[in-house]
Amino acid sequence: SAVISQKPSRDICQRGTSLTIQCQVDSQVTMMFWYRQQPGQSLTLIATANQGSEATYESGFVIDKFPISRPNLTFSTLTVSNMSPEDSSIYLCSVRLRTETEQYFGPGTRLTVT
Amino acid sequence: QKEVEQNSGPLSVPEGAIASLNCTYSDRVSQSFFWYRQYSGKSPELIMSIYSNGDKEDGRFTAQLNKASQYVSLLIRDSQPSDSATYLCAVSNYGGSQGNLIFGKGTKLSVKP
Repeated sequence: SAVISQKPSRDICQRGTSLTIQCQVDSQVTMMFWYRQQPGQSLTLIATANQGSEATYESGFVIDKFPISRPNLTFSTLTVSNMSPEDSSIYLCSVRLRTETEQYFGPGTRLTVT
Repeated sequence: QKEVEQNSGPLSVPEGAIASLNCTYSDRVSQSFFWYRQYSGKSPELIMSIYSNGDKEDGRFTAQLNKASQYVSLLIRDSQPSDSATYLCAVSNYGGSQGNLIFGKGTKLSVKP
């Protein structure tokens, strides 16, 4: 498996502002993903973070709202832009290791937008 | 639309009993199947993966896969109160490094002492 850390663990933000979430992994990974889990719901994939190129977004998610960077094999950021209360959710980083097909999740960032 | 279906529960079992969690999926080309456990307020934790038809056992957990019926299940033997959590079924059609997971909505399990 892998040790995945996310920062911040939680934040309360005002409407219209932006928050950048960081994800750091302790080993090189083939793929990194960003998920959202709204209250009482299951996980929804936002995008796949590609190293050195633009992220691949799922239907319903756009780069202007959720810009993603992945400068190397162990680090990625997700920005939630121009936030509204509907963005209140848990945001999860997930990784797949080079030698495995299993996918692991970071501890998550709990975001509340007021 | 690829879908993964689970009974939302809650599923309540007494301590020491067998808990049976079920999952069906719509995409016939799915190759990889996973069960995650999620405690309230925590992130999902991978507990089982299965890729071939049949049973796979790991401690008190047994995953069962039937690709013809598009059905995957998780059995928890000797259930403990600490097993109380939401169990998420996830399915992927990736055979290597491509593809991504599709999650069911989860089954909430409650183990009563």
